[in-house]
Amino acid sequence: AQSVTQPDIHITVSEGASLELRCNYSYGATPYLFWYVQSPGQGLQLLLKYFSGDTLVQGIKGFEAEFKRSQSSFNLRKPSVHWSDAAEYFCAVGALSGNTPLVFGKGTRLSVIA
Amino acid sequence: GAGVSQSPSNKVTEKGKDVELRCDPISGHTALYWYRQSLGQGLEFLIYFQGNSAPDKSGLPSDRFSAERTGGSVSTLTIQRTQQEDSAVYLCASSLESRLAVFGAGSRLTVL
Repeated sequence: AQSVTQPDIHITVSEGASLELRCNYSYGATPYLFWYVQSPGQGLQLLLKYFSGDTLVQGIKGFEAEFKRSQSSFNLRKPSVHWSDAAEYFCAVGALSGNTPLVFGKGTRLSVIA
Repeated sequence: GAGVSQSPSNKVTEKGKDVELRCDPISGHTALYWYRQSLGQGLEFLIYFQGNSAPDKSGLPSDRFSAERTGGSVSTLTIQRTQQEDSAVYLCASSLESRLAVFGAGSRLTVL
């Protein structure tokens, strides 16, 4: 069965520091991988996605993620965090084809301190 | 519309009452999904509609939950005889393909 693990429930970083949010997945075939961000009271906004090709993908707001098949990981990174990045981050995996629903991790809450 | 619209944004109800949550997907999107987001639990898949096909109801937690999609557009999620454990944010998403799902802002349900 498909599953996504985000091992960190809550992370606190200082503004300007680098960030890495971990995501591991279990999937029987080539996955599509996503990172979404949810600000308080808001819906989910797509940050970036990986379908194929270059394993380092760039997203919005200065985020990037790297797909590592050997580690079944798709970690999200940002070199310098801004206070506005404080939010909940969700990793998700989807099927290679069709419209099967995305499977989400439980999320990582990011706090940013001055 | 330009985005996925959900109503109401907030709903407070008493235990045992029925509630209906509405989702207006992006025009032309053939797929529609409902998820439930409980505190600390991530997003739990509930039900999925694709065109005229029979919906995938495999995620519905009990027979108190049901959903319909009329005319391939608007969807209504109904929860009968609500329980306190039903309190959550219910998110709707629509897409042409699951790779490009767009989410609404959600309906926050509180059952007293």
